[in-house]
Amino acid sequence: AQSVTQPDIHITVSEGASLELRCNYSYGATPYLFWYVQSPGQGLQLLLKYFSGDTLVQGIKGFEAEFKRSQSSFNLRKPSVHWSDAAEYFCAVGASNNNDMRFGAGTRLTVKP
Amino acid sequence: DTGVSQDPRHKITKRGQNVTFRCDPISEHNRLYWYRQTLGQGPEFLTYFQNEAQLEKSRLLSDRFSAERPKGSFSTLEIQRTEQGDSAMYLCASSLSMGNYGYTFGSGTRLTVV
Repeated sequence: AQSVTQPDIHITVSEGASLELRCNYSYGATPYLFWYVQSPGQGLQLLLKYFSGDTLVQGIKGFEAEFKRSQSSFNLRKPSVHWSDAAEYFCAVGASNNNDMRFGAGTRLTVKP
Repeated sequence: DTGVSQDPRHKITKRGQNVTFRCDPISEHNRLYWYRQTLGQGPEFLTYFQNEAQLEKSRLLSDRFSAERPKGSFSTLEIQRTEQGDSAMYLCASSLSMGNYGYTFGSGTRLTVV
């Protein structure tokens, strides 16, 4: 069964600084990978997804992620963080039949002024 | 289409009471999922439907939990004889079964059992 590890529980960055959130997955076949963002008390919003093709994927709000099969990683990046990016970020891995998405425990992002 | 809707947004109930939550998915999505999220954790899969058929249930879904999607549109999740450990955010999501990978989530129902 697939699983996801997000090694960082909490990250603090200064506004305007670059950001990288780590995600490692375990899956026997070609993974379908996702990043979601969750603001307090809200549901999850899809930032970006990867299932084939170019290993660098662009998402909404200026985020991007790179799939590295050799490292089983799918790290999320943003070149310049805005205060509104403060939220919880979840990495997820899904199967090709789209019926079994597993989430990591999340990384909470705090943005310092 | 306004996305995935969940009702109510918040529910406070006494231990031992029954509660029911509703989810209205995106109309063209044939799949509907229920997840539970506790504080500081990622969402945990509970069950999913393809049209009206419930195709998978997690071990997390004890006998006190039941989910339905009678006409393949909206779904309900009922918890009987609630316990304090049931306090969580219950998230609903929907998707197509093929092609458009990724789920669209609702805003969730926050359950507090006192």
